[in-house]
Amino acid sequence: DGGITQSPKYLFRKEGQNVTLSCEQNLNHDAMYWYRQDPGQGLRLIYYSQIVNDFQKGDIAEGYSVSREKKESFPLTVTSAQKNPTAFYLCASREDRGRDTQYFGPGTRLTVL
Amino acid sequence: GENVEQHPSTLSVQEGDSAVIKCTYSDSASNYFPWYKQELGKGPQLIIDIRSNVGEKKDQRIAVTLNKTAKHFSLHITETQPEDSAVYFCAAHRGSTLGRLYFGRGTQLTVWP
Repeated sequence: DGGITQSPKYLFRKEGQNVTLSCEQNLNHDAMYWYRQDPGQGLRLIYYSQIVNDFQKGDIAEGYSVSREKKESFPLTVTSAQKNPTAFYLCASREDRGRDTQYFGPGTRLTVL
Repeated sequence: GENVEQHPSTLSVQEGDSAVIKCTYSDSASNYFPWYKQELGKGPQLIIDIRSNVGEKKDQRIAVTLNKTAKHFSLHITETQPEDSAVYFCAAHRGSTLGRLYFGRGTQLTVWP
């Protein structure tokens, strides 16, 4: 069953703790993306990666970090420097070679207490 | 960068009526325009997309139109059903920006039975 998986679905953390959100895809897609979604704000790009071991900051990268050690995995770490981390986080992937469509995972809802 | 505006933010229709959601974009270099449907607590799902070399595309009850001169595109849903109730997002893609999408803020569509 091909697709994008994100885990966990719900995550609770205390303020000041770092937390890592998982994103895995078995679609053999080259590019992967992390978005943050807040009510009424649409989707805002945090980080994206076109190939393994390379990634670029999006519009709201401050307080976040990523790695891309494997093609199928793109974990996002929400650090204690992120001022307001409570949000719905979405991972997406895209097959390169001229194809523009992004496919999304089911999301992780992070709540910082 | 690209700026995508989406209207209306909320839309209520009676079952069987049509619904229209409109988006404008700022960058004439944008060449790919997907529409996503997001149900509560889930990731966005691609429902239809259009490229800049096409003026209209239809898939059963859903159609998208694109006016490159005016830089706007619209989603049309005919014969709406309660299961069409969701948040709909438009997006624009600039071909030279490593595949990133720029999203509108979303439209909450409610279809009343």
